[in-house]
Amino acid sequence: SQQGEEDPQALSIQEGENATMNCSYKTSINNLQWYRQNSGRGLVHLILIRSNEREKHSGRLRVTLDTSKKSSSLLITASRAADTASYFCATASGGSNYKLTFGKGTLLTVNP
Amino acid sequence: KAGVTQTPRYLIKTRGQQVTLSCSPISGHRSVSWYQQTPGQGLQFLFEYFSETQRNKGNFPGRFSGRQFSNSRSEMNVSTLELGDSALYLCASSYQEQGAVQYFGPGTRLTVT
Repeated sequence: SQQGEEDPQALSIQEGENATMNCSYKTSINNLQWYRQNSGRGLVHLILIRSNEREKHSGRLRVTLDTSKKSSSLLITASRAADTASYFCATASGGSNYKLTFGKGTLLTVNP
Repeated sequence: KAGVTQTPRYLIKTRGQQVTLSCSPISGHRSVSWYQQTPGQGLQFLFEYFSETQRNKGNFPGRFSGRQFSNSRSEMNVSTLELGDSALYLCASSYQEQGAVQYFGPGTRLTVT
């Protein structure tokens, strides 16, 4: 079963706008990660946020984590056509042998 | 460093056959995980190997198996293929155990007819 669930399932915006994707999960986690996947290809790691962190930035990416609500959000600012991809959150949990569980993803389309 | 490589990139098999997929992790990475990605089920964890030992296993039937060699290269095998096994199979490596950042290969696209 999926641990993380992304929302929305699909998002279409214009170049230059900001894109926000949300992820909710069910059990306690060690960390939460965001990945990007271009159509039919491998995933690329974007950012990792630990359970004791609330916010993290990397370039145009901003990730927040609210462990009390068991949710995270990924904000991409000033989006570009090249940001068009599927975005997945993945939660790491499971005690000493962490298991990385992926959500079903948000398909982001950035129109030029 | 070279990235994760997977071979072959594309495969077409017939129901009932078996298939072996190969994954070479990033040099120095000891953990290799396998995932199945389908439009309906999304990304599902198959298993993870760390230093030649299976550390974690997902909820897949015994037809799905894997192994890891002393050089950290990994193979997964699917026996008695079913139409529902058609998917993108992704391999990912990491320096540490599961939960660390995963570096993914390009995947093997398996089509079962």
